[in-house]
Amino acid sequence: IAGITQAPTSQILAAGRRMTLRCTQDMRHNAMYWYRQDLGLGLRLIHYSNTAGTTGKGEVPDGYSVSRANTDDFPLTLASAVPSQTSVYFCASSAGRGTEAFFGQGTRLTVV
Amino acid sequence: GNSVTQMEGPVTLSEEAFLTINCTYTATGYPSLFWYVQYPGEGLQLLLKATKADDKGSNKGFEATYRKETTSFHLEKGSVQVSDSAVYFCALISDSNYQLIWGAGTKLIIKP
Repeated sequence: IAGITQAPTSQILAAGRRMTLRCTQDMRHNAMYWYRQDLGLGLRLIHYSNTAGTTGKGEVPDGYSVSRANTDDFPLTLASAVPSQTSVYFCASSAGRGTEAFFGQGTRLTVV
Repeated sequence: GNSVTQMEGPVTLSEEAFLTINCTYTATGYPSLFWYVQYPGEGLQLLLKATKADDKGSNKGFEATYRKETTSFHLEKGSVQVSDSAVYFCALISDSNYQLIWGAGTKLIIKP
């Protein structure tokens, strides 16, 4: 059982470049989320999707975009990366209201 | 709005000491409550959960009781081990939406 798979595991990216972080789940969960974690603490929600075809903005959406074309995939795109987007990015999913979230292993992104 | 407040860290204890990490919440309705653990270099894992008042979640020797009267969900363990060193996150999901609300995280350091 794979759960949630994120790719790449880590990436060093030049400022100004475009980058897509991939997230795939095999649990058929309705809801998916993207978080960033800075300094090893404090998860902040970037974008979320309650079901395929819908997305919403979280706490820190600026500079990021997402799409949810199907249930399994929820890619996060940085259109033009900046150093302040250096962080660890976690994708998560949950089955529905009131249920716990399952996390991927994270993508460590460094923008230089 | 909904919020979660947990004690600031780091918390440093000796092996076999008793652990309490405080967590209080603000939420409308009847949220579900969670503790997640993040070991160094890894993603978040669900540690335990409680979905209604007076429920006790437990796992790996950790326990937390859903106290609606005090809006609390404190994490406890009777005898900690070095392997419990990690960051612990308290979280809630409102019963009206999919949104996970996170505490800031508490870093726990256990010394041999």
